[in-house]
Amino acid sequence: NAGVMQNPRHLVRRRGQEARLRCSPMKGHSHVYWYRQLPEEGLKFMVYLQKENIIDESGMPKERFSAEFPKEGPSILRIQQVVRGDSAAYFCASSLTNELGYTFGSGTRLTVV
Amino acid sequence: GNSVTQMEGPVTLSEEAFLTINCTYTATGYPSLFWYVQYPGEGLQLLLKATKADDKGSNKGFEATYRKETTSFHLEKGSVQVSDSAVYFCALRNQAGTALIFGKGTTLSVSS
Repeated sequence: NAGVMQNPRHLVRRRGQEARLRCSPMKGHSHVYWYRQLPEEGLKFMVYLQKENIIDESGMPKERFSAEFPKEGPSILRIQQVVRGDSAAYFCASSLTNELGYTFGSGTRLTVV
Repeated sequence: GNSVTQMEGPVTLSEEAFLTINCTYTATGYPSLFWYVQYPGEGLQLLLKATKADDKGSNKGFEATYRKETTSFHLEKGSVQVSDSAVYFCALRNQAGTALIFGKGTTLSVSS
C-alpha cells in the first residue's frame, strides 16, 4: 500500500526555466493538497484539488504557478519562469475525504540557481 | 484570520526528560487541531489530533488537550527518547475545511 509518491525528490532549475512537480496520491484518495515550506518556516497552504477540479487556490501566487489533478495520472504543480525565491520544499498530501487527516509525501526540494 | 503560534526552538533535552511544546491558536469557532512530526528529509506525519474542546489526542506517548478557554493545544510527553528528535508542527483546520494552517515548527533534540 504505497503512500503519497512525489517526484522528483530533488529538482534543480535555472532562473527562467519551468519546474513540474508530480504527486501521486494514495490509492483511493481523491483529495490532493499542495503546501510549500520555505527554510525555517512552517508549511504554507497553496491549493486543494479534487479530480479535475480546483477547490481552493487561495494560497497560490497569482502568477507563474498553476496546479492540476486530471482524471487520469498524477497531480502536477507547475511553476513557470522560476526565480530564486521559489526555492523551497513542496509537499503534496492526499486524503480519502476532506474531513480526515492527510497523508503527506516526502516532498520535492526545488533549488533555483 | 487563522494563525498558530508555537514556542520557538530548538528544545534540547536529555533522554527520559519531560517534554512540553506550547501551541496557541487564533481562529473563528472551534477548529480541529493537529500535531504533525517531521523527521529529517521526510514529509510530515500526523502525530495526534483533537476535533472538539476538551478532547485529548494521544499517540506514541505524546498527548495534547484541546483547551478552548486558553486557545491552546500544548504537546506533552512524559519521557522522551533519542528517536523523538524531529521537528514538531502544530496546525489547525481552516473554517472552510480546505486547508491546514501550520505553526513555524519546533525542533526537538534529545541526547542520550
